[in-house]
Amino acid sequence: NAGVTQTPKFQVLKTGQSMTLQCAQDMNHNSMYWYRQDPGMGLRLIYYSASEGTTDKGEVPNGYNVSRLNKREFSLRLESAAPSQTSVYFCASSLTGIGYEQYFGPGTRLTVT
Amino acid sequence: GQQLNQSPQSMFIQEGEDVSMNCTSSSIFNTWLWYKQDPGEGPVLLIALYKAGELTSNGRLTAQFGITRKDSFLNISASIPSDVGIYFCAGNSGNTPLVFGKGTRLSVIA
Repeated sequence: NAGVTQTPKFQVLKTGQSMTLQCAQDMNHNSMYWYRQDPGMGLRLIYYSASEGTTDKGEVPNGYNVSRLNKREFSLRLESAAPSQTSVYFCASSLTGIGYEQYFGPGTRLTVT
Repeated sequence: GQQLNQSPQSMFIQEGEDVSMNCTSSSIFNTWLWYKQDPGEGPVLLIALYKAGELTSNGRLTAQFGITRKDSFLNISASIPSDVGIYFCAGNSGNTPLVFGKGTRLSVIA
């Protein structure tokens, strides 16, 4: 089992460019999440998908969109990147329910210049 | 919204010492989780707690779900260099997404 995988590992964008961060899990988990991590801020929830076919906003959704492509895959899209979106992005998944044990991917380090 | 206060923010300890850190919430929680993050990696789940008063161990790590349901504690006994990292607490009440603390950065001096 690979667990939760994320691509790419690193990315540099110019302001205004768009990109999609990919996440996949092979644990047959129902719920998936996208977080951003900034120094001193801990982990902040961007969007989550409690089950296939549903998505909901988290604490910091502005400037992002998500797609739950199927049970395995949950992508995060930046339509017009801004320097404030420079961060480390983590995808996570949990088996049942959105308040239970979450398992994280290795992260994508994004820099917007 | 729910808020978590995690303390201390950072700590420097000698190898072999015991470590204690804690989290408090502004509301009653049903779940407390503890994670560790190594540099350049994603957080890894250490311990999950689901019942008030519950005490759970994982090797040298012990965590407790506070009896008031508003706090949780993590203890590390006989620290070693590989314990270095950032420890996060997380929790929630009801069917809501987890809330994460801002982390405790642990440094171990050999």
